Amino acid sequence: SQTIHQWPATLVQPVGSPLSLECTVEGTSNPNLYWYRQAAGRGLQLLFYSVGIGQISSEVPQNLSASRPQDRQFILSSKKLLLSDSGFYLCAWRITNEQFFGPGTRLTVL
Amino acid sequence: SQELEQSPQSLIVQEGKNLTINCTSSKTLYGLYWYKQKYGEGLIFLMMLQKGGEEKSHEKITAKLDEKKQQSSLHITASQPSHAGIYLCGADKGIEYGNKLVFGAGTILRVKS
Repeated sequence: SQTIHQWPATLVQPVGSPLSLECTVEGTSNPNLYWYRQAAGRGLQLLFYSVGIGQISSEVPQNLSASRPQDRQFILSSKKLLLSDSGFYLCAWRITNEQFFGPGTRLTVL
Repeated sequence: SQELEQSPQSLIVQEGKNLTINCTSSKTLYGLYWYKQKYGEGLIFLMMLQKGGEEKSHEKITAKLDEKKQQSSLHITASQPSHAGIYLCGADKGIEYGNKLVFGAGTILRVKS
């Protein structure tokens, strides 16, 4: 069966510090991968998606970036965090018509 | 304006009562996804609807997609405290957009014992 992992589960970072969130999927090959952010009052917002290794489509550029160095690995990064980057970050994967979400990372930027 | 509108924004029901949540799209839907979320946790996949008039059920939850494929409803029969959470509908944007999902704002459900 397929599983999706995200880490860390929670993170508290100072403004201006870098960020790296990792998502890995097990039990499937060549999935579509997605990064979403859920922030208070703003709903669930798609940040990036990837249909293959090295292929990244950006929805909300801002100061975030994403990379897919391996088929089942998706990384969300920032060089300098802003207060507005606080939120709940969710990774998702899709194969055929089903899309499943990971457990999420709660990021607080102080 | 938001592409997907969910209603109501929140509701409180007595345990054992039925309830319906609606999701309306301004565009024809390629596919419509329903998820449930507990606060601070990931989304749990409930159902996916694709064909006009389609209806699916899982335990006491039934979801329907209308014939025009612009509106979906989620119906819970005999609600229980375990049904409490946030219900989100998501619209599939199609393969040319990586099948990304655009979500409604969510409906917060509370079930009183």
